[in-house]
Amino acid sequence: DAKTTQPTSMDCAEGRAANLPCNHSTISGNEYVYWYRQIHSQGPQYIIHGLKNNETNEMASLIITEDRKSSTLILPHATLRDTAVYYCIVRPFNTNAGKSTFGDGTTLTVKP
Amino acid sequence: NAGVTQTPKFQVLKTGQSMTLQCAQDMNHNSMYWYRQDPGMGLRLIYYSASEGTTDKGEVPNGYNVSRLNKREFSLRLESAAPSQTSVYFCASSENLGQATLAKNIQYFGAGTRLSVL
Repeated sequence: DAKTTQPTSMDCAEGRAANLPCNHSTISGNEYVYWYRQIHSQGPQYIIHGLKNNETNEMASLIITEDRKSSTLILPHATLRDTAVYYCIVRPFNTNAGKSTFGDGTTLTVKP
Repeated sequence: NAGVTQTPKFQVLKTGQSMTLQCAQDMNHNSMYWYRQDPGMGLRLIYYSASEGTTDKGEVPNGYNVSRLNKREFSLRLESAAPSQTSVYFCASSENLGQATLAKNIQYFGAGTRLSVL
């Protein structure tokens, strides 16, 4: 799996958009970008994933650059409950092996 | 539909004791995983099972054994616990589709087992 680089921590004001960057400059053509988050002491939770097009669901939006070397997770209206560690992972789609590597992620703190 | 269930939630062991962490999923997923998470750090893969009957080592397999009992269950065993194995252990599962379709490969995680080895 390609290695990812994320900032260690970020702050965001409640109600504002939170933009979490991820660099994955060695991503391969068959690898998707996945985002998970881990709220304090809980198991990680899937947020969104994409290949090359921008994606949106009820939780967030994912913007992937045209060269696919970086992406940004956007939480449009951050709430205090969005305070968590956010992990960016790249992984092949033909995943018979299925393993993946979580880095240390970005700790997002949403402040009142 | 409970998702991924881990037992026990908490455990305290003495050095040298053995124990088995249990994990079961009810989503008919092919693949299952065991991770450990030390304080302030990310998850590290211990072992995974791509499908029933197969297991493979991850990043940090030393000191652990696993058994894929059936499609639903994947257990992690510590034969002789050491203080360095004090951690939170997470089990996860995912459905891997073949190359004929786009694999979502979304992992679903259990709530974790908090293990302390004294």
